[in-house]
Order: sequence, then structure tokens, then C-alpha cells
Amino acid sequence: EVQLLESGGGLVQPGGSLRLSCAASGFTFNNYAMSWVRQAPGKGLEWVSSVGHSGTDTYYADSVKGRFTIARDNSKNTLYLQMNSLRAEDTAVYYCARKYYYGSRAYYSFDIWGQGTMVTVSS
Amino acid sequence: QSALTQPASLSGSPGQSITISCTGTSSDVGGYNYVSWYQQHPGKAPKLMIYDVSNRPSGVSNRFSGSKSGNTASLTISGLQAEDEADYYCSSHTNSSPYVFGTGTKVTVL
Repeated sequence: EVQLLESGGGLVQPGGSLRLSCAASGFTFNNYAMSWVRQAPGKGLEWVSSVGHSGTDTYYADSVKGRFTIARDNSKNTLYLQMNSLRAEDTAVYYCARKYYYGSRAYYSFDIWGQGTMVTVSS
Repeated sequence: QSALTQPASLSGSPGQSITISCTGTSSDVGGYNYVSWYQQHPGKAPKLMIYDVSNRPSGVSNRFSGSKSGNTASLTISGLQAEDEADYYCSSHTNSSPYVFGTGTKVTVL
């Protein structure tokens, strides 16, 4: 079964750090670009960051640029999000998501999502 | 990159059709045929319903269809069913970031 399982969320004080992990199973992880998408309580989805299949190419939303770092370890089938200088507005459920591929083409869509991990930034 | 604009809520009776709009600019929706739609039930992860404006992934009901005109994309749900009650989000590729999501639409089945 194709699956993504996030972990690492929790309560952290403003200015603190947290590292999220996303363990992938059921597919060839190093063939897929991956992303993090967050959702603040009662709010909509917000794209946070993406990384290419090799880990070389990374992209960030302006709201997290310079504070968050996305990375992957293909030997461990795991995606990471290092979050530093956390702010109250970073409070959200963080989802990891797989880029959609069909045939030989990649699409600007996400076909597999994890269940999410909650990050709360509060003193 | 500003979020794409969707109506906050829509409702319809079982069997009816509803259409959700997603308005952006020429830098996102209007500039690329890379609009996707997601369905999200409460407490659940989003589910991909439409990619590249009008294509359905395997397993998605043909009651869901997508289209685009200019800077506005649309998702139509035909033959509305109780299980269609959910939040719906559009997303698009943009000229400054890989993705931007819409503000979300809550669909209620009366």
C-alpha cells in the first residue's frame, strides 16, 4: 500500500525549532518529487515547500523562506522539514504530499497525502 | 503569491449540479493549464479530483469535471450526492512558485 506517515509535530515556543519527518512506503521514493503543505486550524491549504526527486532542487513559499529547510534521505525513504524561528502563524497541520506522475509525465498536482502532523507555536 | 479566489460556500440538493469557481490571474490560472482540484472531508487529508484543468485520476467519479476560461477555472459536480459534502480547493502552478492554492469552498448537500 502506498503510504506517507508524518511525525515530529508538537508544541514549541515562538522562536523555537522543530523537525518534521515523513516516512514513505509502497512506492519507489527516489522517483518522486515531494512537498509539504500546511493547513492552519479552520483555514485553507497553503503550499510550503517542495524538493525534487534527488534532493538538489528545492522551492519555498515566501512565508517560510530563510526559516524552513526541506530535505530528503532517499536511502531511508524519508522527507524532512526543518523549521526554525517558528512563529505563531506557523501553527498548522503539516501534510507531506507526493507529486503526481502518470505514464512518463509529472503533473503540478499531489496524488498521495499523509495524515498530517500538528505543529503548535505558542508560549 | 496571493491565494486563488473561491466562493466560501455553495449548496445544492441531491441530484443537482453545482459549479465552484477559482479565479486567479494571468500569472497562474490564466497562464498555465495546470489547475488541480482537491476534495477534503473534515479531519481528513485532501484527495486529488482533477489535474491539468480537466483530467480525472483513476478512480475519481465522472460526476466531477473541470474546465477553464481565461483566469477562472471551474469544478462542476453533477448528480450531487451526500458524500460530496466537503471542502474543495483549487490549485495552480504560477510564474513565481510551483503551487498556489485557492481559498477553499465548503459544499453543503441540502
